[in-house]
Order: sequence, then structure tokens, then C-alpha cells
Amino acid sequence: ETGVTQSPTHLIKTRGQQVTLRCSSQSGHNTVSWYQQALGQGPQFIFQYYREEENGRGNFPPRFSGLQFPNYSSELNVNALELDDSALYLCASSLAGGAMGGYTFGSGTRLTVV
Amino acid sequence: AQTVTQSQPEMSVQEAETVTLSCTYDTSESDYYLFWYKQPPSRQMILVIRQEAYKQQNATENRFSVNFQKAAKSFSLKISDSQLGDAAMYFCAYRSADTGNQFYFGTGTSLTVIP
Repeated sequence: ETGVTQSPTHLIKTRGQQVTLRCSSQSGHNTVSWYQQALGQGPQFIFQYYREEENGRGNFPPRFSGLQFPNYSSELNVNALELDDSALYLCASSLAGGAMGGYTFGSGTRLTVV
Repeated sequence: AQTVTQSQPEMSVQEAETVTLSCTYDTSESDYYLFWYKQPPSRQMILVIRQEAYKQQNATENRFSVNFQKAAKSFSLKISDSQLGDAAMYFCAYRSADTGNQFYFGTGTSLTVIP
């Protein structure tokens, strides 16, 4: 059983650029959630994807967007990067209806915006 | 909106001793789930223990146990016989049983285990 894989592990972007982060969900999981974890903070919910549709969104602007593919993998896209977007981005996969847990987190992508 | 508060930014414990991490939360919901996650330097969030709000019995997982006080909206984690591998950031998290598509995390407690 494979876990959640995120790529890349680290990257550096310039303010105003666009970035795409990728997440492969755990085998058997059909739902992917994305979180932003700023330094010294807990993760903040960005959005969740289920059956290739957005299934809930946190307090993030529209320049944060996502996709989910038929194989349940997902992408997080951020346009017009700002310095405050520097953070660890975590992906978590789960099986729909798994409110009690059953979430598997990846090791994240560390994004630095300069 | 639900909020989760962890008032201890840092804690330390001697190896083999017991430590308790505190967490309080605010919600108007009656049915929800509470979690403790561990985040080691590898950055992956690892589930330590979880509690269903409708259960009065406190959850236990080996050396980890919780003290769930629903009326006080308190959910503390007790780690017994602390081991060096327990050193990590610990996050308390809330999840609604009804809308349940997101975790609300606290700001974390950094636990140091002293040999």
C-alpha cells in the first residue's frame, strides 16, 4: 500500500510567478485535501477534491485553484505568488465519508517565494 | 467557525516520564471528532489518537491517552513512558461530523524529550 506522494519537495519562486504542486493519493483513496502550513502555525484548509470536483474551500483567494484527475491524484495551482504564500503545502488523501480519520498526509512541498 | 487553541508552544519531558499536552476548542456543534497529530522533522502528519465526541470513554492507544472533557471543551493528550522518538510537533485538530471535509488545527506544541 503506497502512501501519499508530493512533488516537488522544495522549490523557490519569484513573487508574481505561478506554481503547480502535485499530489498522488494513497491507493484506494478517492478524496484529496490541501493545506497550507505557515512557519510556526498549524495547517490551514485550502480545499478538498472529490470525484474531480471541489468539495469545500477554506478562506483562500481564487488565485489558489486545484484539479483532481481520474486516478485521484491532484494539483494545487497558485497564481500571482505573494511573499506570504511561502509555506509548507500538505496534501492529504482519504476515502469519502472518512470523517473519523483515515486521512493519510504527505510530507509536503516547501514553497519559498522571494 | 471552529477554533482550536494550544496554549503551550513548547514542552519538555524526561525520557520515561509522563507529559500532558493541552488543547481547548470552541464549537457550537454537538457531534464532532477530535484528533492529535504528530509532525516529526519529516513533516508528515501522523495520527496519534482520535476521539468521537459522543463517546464518554477516553481514547487510549498504547502509551497515548486523552482526557476529553466535552462540557469544558478540553482535549488533552497524555504521553506515558516518553521515548526519544516522541519528540515532534503535536497538533490538536477538530473535525465536524456533519460537514466534515476539513480539519481545524491548533498552532501546535513542540515536545522535546530529554535523555
